[in-house]
Amino acid sequence: EVQLVESGGGLVKPGGSLRLSCAASGFTFSPYSMNWVRQAPGKGLEWVSSMSSGSSYIYHADSVKGRFTISRDNAKNSLYLQMNSLRAEDTAVYYCARSIAADTHPYEFDYWGQGTLVTVSS
Amino acid sequence: QSVLTQAPSVSGTPGQRVTISCSGSSSNIGSNYVHWYQQLPGTAPKLLIYRNNQRPSGVPDRFSGSKSGTSASLAISGLRSEDEADYYCASWDDSLSVVFGGGTKLTVL
Repeated sequence: EVQLVESGGGLVKPGGSLRLSCAASGFTFSPYSMNWVRQAPGKGLEWVSSMSSGSSYIYHADSVKGRFTISRDNAKNSLYLQMNSLRAEDTAVYYCARSIAADTHPYEFDYWGQGTLVTVSS
Repeated sequence: QSVLTQAPSVSGTPGQRVTISCSGSSSNIGSNYVHWYQQLPGTAPKLLIYRNNQRPSGVPDRFSGSKSGTSASLAISGLRSEDEADYYCASWDDSLSVVFGGGTKLTVL
């Protein structure tokens, strides 16, 4: 059974940093593209970052570019999101999602984790 | 403001057929696949339709997707109470980003 389990969320002050992790199991992690999607309280889905299996592509949304960095460790079956210079508007549930990938970008997100809540507040 | 446009809400009665529309542009829907996600209350999103009109294993054939030009639609026939959820369309945009619609809340009356 495919499982994606996010961790690392919590309360952080504006300007602070947080590192989210996503532990994958139940499938061979390395061939898949991986992604982060967030959802602010009561709002819709917002794509954050995508990374291909061999790091041939890495994309970040404009709203997080220069502040967030996606990375992965295929040996540990894990995906990460380093979040720096956090702002109140980054408050959201952050989901990790697996995707099939074309050569240059992800296709559908076929499995999602349950999410981890990040709250940015003083 | 989302790049893909969806109506905020739609409703129907049990057994009815409803459609949810998603409007984009030539840089996203017009030149890339559309995918649909269902988010039941309090849960993570789930893939419902991928690559315009494909259903993942386990998704009932009451759900169907289509695409024409820069728009896409999700149809749900034989509406059931358990279909009450938020539905999101998504696509790749040639500006190098994944774009989502704002979501449509389906209410089963």
